[in-house]
Amino acid sequence: AQSVTQPDIHITVSEGASLELRCNYSYGATPYLFWYVQSPGQGLQLLLKYFSGDTLVQGIKGFEAEFKRSQSSFNLRKPSVHWSDAAEYFCAVVLTGGGNKLTFGTGTQLKVEL
Amino acid sequence: KAGVTQTPRYLIKTRGQQVTLSCSPISGHRSVSWYQQTPGQGLQFLFEYFSETQRNKGNFPGRFSGRQFSNSRSEMNVSTLELGDSALYLCASSSGEVQETQYFGPGTRLLVL
Repeated sequence: AQSVTQPDIHITVSEGASLELRCNYSYGATPYLFWYVQSPGQGLQLLLKYFSGDTLVQGIKGFEAEFKRSQSSFNLRKPSVHWSDAAEYFCAVVLTGGGNKLTFGTGTQLKVEL
Repeated sequence: KAGVTQTPRYLIKTRGQQVTLSCSPISGHRSVSWYQQTPGQGLQFLFEYFSETQRNKGNFPGRFSGRQFSNSRSEMNVSTLELGDSALYLCASSSGEVQETQYFGPGTRLLVL
């Protein structure tokens, strides 16, 4: 079945530590890929997106993501986490020819320990 | 530019009632999409409107409907509310091109009692 999987429901890291959030997709063709962040009581904010080209994508707030076709993955990384990064992170895809319909993963809740 | 505006921000209804939510997109954006967010089902796509036409539709019952006006503002309506309709309803606006960023509003939190 076509899906977006975020295997980690909760992740806790110490401030200053590195972070990697996992995302895998299961589609016949490579979809357009996105990472969004949601802070409590807020809407979603786009961190970065991948359509084609360079497989390492830079985003806002010091985040980056790497697309690996062979692994059907689009993992989000940050070299040094700040306490303000605590939030819920969603991986999402748009299928080619699917208009603007975003299909989201279940999200990863990030907790940052001071 | 002003961001995406959703009204009301909070709403309490009882079962069987109907509700209308409003979304004002960023100026110049012609696409508005609606999503439902619940703890159990996560974020699910409801529908997308582009230039007053429904362009995409998710897997929701016909009780969920929407429309878009000539100024790109959009409304969604839920009739005969059920307890399971309690959720955060998010709208997103964009130019309509998939490569362009979708900007989300803060959402309307609906509680059905």
